[in-house]
Amino acid sequence: GEDVEQSLFLSVREGDSSVINCTYTDSSSTYLYWYKQEPGAGLQLLTYIFSNMDMKQDQRLTVLLNKKDKHLSLRIADTQTGDSAIYFCAEKGTGRRALTFGSGTRLQVQP
Amino acid sequence: DAGITQSPRYKITETGRQVTLMCHQTWSHSYMFWYRQDLGHGLRLIYYSAAADITDKGEVPDGYVVSRSKTENFPLTLESATRSQTSVYFCASSGDRGITGELFFGEGSRLTVL
Repeated sequence: GEDVEQSLFLSVREGDSSVINCTYTDSSSTYLYWYKQEPGAGLQLLTYIFSNMDMKQDQRLTVLLNKKDKHLSLRIADTQTGDSAIYFCAEKGTGRRALTFGSGTRLQVQP
Repeated sequence: DAGITQSPRYKITETGRQVTLMCHQTWSHSYMFWYRQDLGHGLRLIYYSAAADITDKGEVPDGYVVSRSKTENFPLTLESATRSQTSVYFCASSGDRGITGELFFGEGSRLTVL
């Protein structure tokens, strides 16, 4: 079945850029997503990218998609302590409504 | 308030007991989902529903039962709880009209099976 892989942990200093990477296996992915989960809360959509796009920028967030390599990344510029959370990569394949999620990357921002 | 709500937020039960986790959404979304979140596994799909009275299995359905008699409710029942079902359970919904397929999540129900 479909698979989405992420590294488990990333630590950065406040003010630095963070880059969270994700790989996926589904060739039919139509949309790819980044969700953020703060402690004790549900997941909230941060941003998404359509599969025919290479890049999407939204304020401090930049999403890069390499469809050939099935690689997705999320760059957070000027990372703040409030960005500390778990970030999930997810994909939606053609004809499917459920999303397939990665295991999540815990981002720790050190002051 | 509009949104998606789960109850209970926290539940402790014993092995062999039946437990039902409730999920209610006010958007009239057609699609509803149950995921479980476990360390190292991320979110795994248990069951989903495309409309009232239409449900289908996800990746890890064993030991769970769902029903959807009304569009707004999607309860998840553990018929005989096991320790391996200790997890955080998330309900989500998705509308027909959204082209992006975004899922909207509840706050989660943390279940401990002793």
